[in-house]
Amino acid sequence: EVQLVESGGGLVQPGGSLRLSCAASGFTFSSYWMIWVRQTPGRGLEWVASIKKDGSDKYYVDSVKGRFTISRDNAKNSLYLQMNSLRAEDTALYYCARWWEAHFDHWGQGTLVTVSS
Amino acid sequence: QTVVTQEPSFSVSPGGTVTLTCGLSSGSVSASNFPGWYQQTPGQAPRTLIYSTSLRSSGVPDRFSGSILGNKAALTITGAQADDESDYYCVLYMGSGIWVFGGGTKLTVL
Repeated sequence: EVQLVESGGGLVQPGGSLRLSCAASGFTFSSYWMIWVRQTPGRGLEWVASIKKDGSDKYYVDSVKGRFTISRDNAKNSLYLQMNSLRAEDTALYYCARWWEAHFDHWGQGTLVTVSS
Repeated sequence: QTVVTQEPSFSVSPGGTVTLTCGLSSGSVSASNFPGWYQQTPGQAPRTLIYSTSLRSSGVPDRFSGSILGNKAALTITGAQADDESDYYCVLYMGSGIWVFGGGTKLTVL
């Protein structure tokens, strides 16, 4: 069974940093692109970043470019999102998801990030 | 900046048919946007219903169908049931590795 479990969320002050992790199991992690999507009550779902199977290509939504970094460790079946210079508008539930055949076919349950002083 | 548009809310009677749409603030949606539709109930992660315009995800009932109607992607629910009451999000591929979600449609079945 495919499982994705996010961790690392929490309360952080504006300008601070957090590193999110996503532990994958039940599939060959290195064979799939992976993504991060976030959700806020006011703005719905927002694609944040994608990473190629081997980590060689990465893509970001404009609002996080230069602040967030997506990465992966295929040996550890893990996906990461390093978030720096956090802003109040980054407050959201962050999901990791697997990308397959042009859709996000499996999602984790999310980890909550709150940016507030 | 690309905006993906959806109806904020819609209602349908049990057993009825409803079509939700997904458009672009500028331009037309086409198959090359690989339109996808996700269903989300409160407290749950999104679930894929339709991807690549019209492909149904595994386990999704055939009362859900996807298409391109005019210049928009569309999700049609035929024979709506009470448990179809959910939020529905579309997502479009904009090229260069970029995906954009719509704002979601809250569907009420009553």
